[in-house]
Amino acid sequence: KAGVTQTPRYLIKTRGQQVTLSCSPISGHRSVSWYQQTPGQGLQFLFEYFSETQRNKGNFPGRFSGRQFSNSRSEMNVSTLELGDSALYLCASSLAGQNGNTIYFGEGSWLTVV
Amino acid sequence: GIQVEQSPPDLILQEGANSTLRCNFSDSVNNLQWFHQNPWGQLINLFYIPSGTKQNGRLSATTVATERYSLLYISSSQTTDSGVYFCAVEHYEDNFNKFYFGSGTKLNVKP
Repeated sequence: KAGVTQTPRYLIKTRGQQVTLSCSPISGHRSVSWYQQTPGQGLQFLFEYFSETQRNKGNFPGRFSGRQFSNSRSEMNVSTLELGDSALYLCASSLAGQNGNTIYFGEGSWLTVV
Repeated sequence: GIQVEQSPPDLILQEGANSTLRCNFSDSVNNLQWFHQNPWGQLINLFYIPSGTKQNGRLSATTVATERYSLLYISSSQTTDSGVYFCAVEHYEDNFNKFYFGSGTKLNVKP
């Protein structure tokens, strides 16, 4: 069974641009959640999608958004990029959501904002 | 929110040694998981353990939910155990279930 797949793996953007990251969950998993990891703030929860609906969200500004498609694939978008958005963005999937289910992570997308 | 604290922040071991990593959390949680992050950033799930004790090879974990802590035991450590160990808890707040991570324990196992 294929794992969680994230694309692209590495990218460099300039301030003010926007970026879209993609995540394909494990087959059969309906929940996809996103996390940001930085040296200063550690791992922080961004949001979770389940059956195309945002079910949970963390404490990030509206520049961070996401969506989920009918095949459970998810994308997250960051608009008006700031230097502080440079981070490893991790996607995780689970069968029915975070509550009581094991979550599995992708390898992440390394974003550098210059 | 909820506070999740891990200790120690850094740990250096000689190959073959045993260790205990701790995760304290400040409120009741629905879910607790331990992860290992390798040097390339990949997070691998080790245990889903909201309560009780589980073992998987040289690793075992115990969560005492009533006392709000979890322990991860590594026995006979190997160099491949190096990396960062995170605990993550799920906490219900503001009508949402939110996941919070500790700051991690960075383990370096020397040959």
